[in-house]
Amino acid sequence: AQTVTQSQPEMSVQEAETVTLSCTYDTSESDYYLFWYKQPPSRQMILVIRQEAYKQQNATENRFSVNFQKAAKSFSLKISDSQLGDAAMYFCAYRSKTGNQFYFGTGTSLTVIP
Amino acid sequence: DVKVTQSSRYLVKRTGEKVFLECVQDMDHENMFWYRQDPGLGLRLIYFSYDVKMKEKGDIPEGYSVSREKKERFSLILESASTNQTSMYLCASSLATSEYNEQFFGPGTRLTVL
Repeated sequence: AQTVTQSQPEMSVQEAETVTLSCTYDTSESDYYLFWYKQPPSRQMILVIRQEAYKQQNATENRFSVNFQKAAKSFSLKISDSQLGDAAMYFCAYRSKTGNQFYFGTGTSLTVIP
Repeated sequence: DVKVTQSSRYLVKRTGEKVFLECVQDMDHENMFWYRQDPGLGLRLIYFSYDVKMKEKGDIPEGYSVSREKKERFSLILESASTNQTSMYLCASSLATSEYNEQFFGPGTRLTVL
């Protein structure tokens, strides 16, 4: 099974500042998908951003962007201009192109300080 | 919008009881998943189903079973609940044919076994 590692259990950021959440993964496959999901307190998990491995350009969704380093097997999430509503648990996930199963990291709890 | 609903947000059961957790999705998704979420462990896959009456074991199937009699409904069954099954249970669904096969999550059921 693929392994997804989030080495930062907790992070904090000042409102309006930028924060980067780290994610590394282990795979022998060349094509796959990577995702960042957000789980606000007591609320539903939602997709933040996704990246296909063969696309070299880093994905961007408004204030959220990724730094995808395929050779290093790294997929970090950058949140710019942090807002109070960004406070949540963030999960990194991997899916093989040929399979249906997702592999999730252990999550990073992000606190936004007013 | 895809909607994934779960039958209960909170559930308290006694050791040895048979417990049913139900999940319904309204977007005609082929794939459905049951995860268990515990602090520091992330999301762990219990079972998934890629079609009606079809199921595959995930990483932690012991003590659980599932049922998928209709495409929109996927049930998780704890045959004899134990205290170590106290956890948050998340249901998810996805299309089988979309490029990313993004998973859509339900709100979760927090199960406490006394």
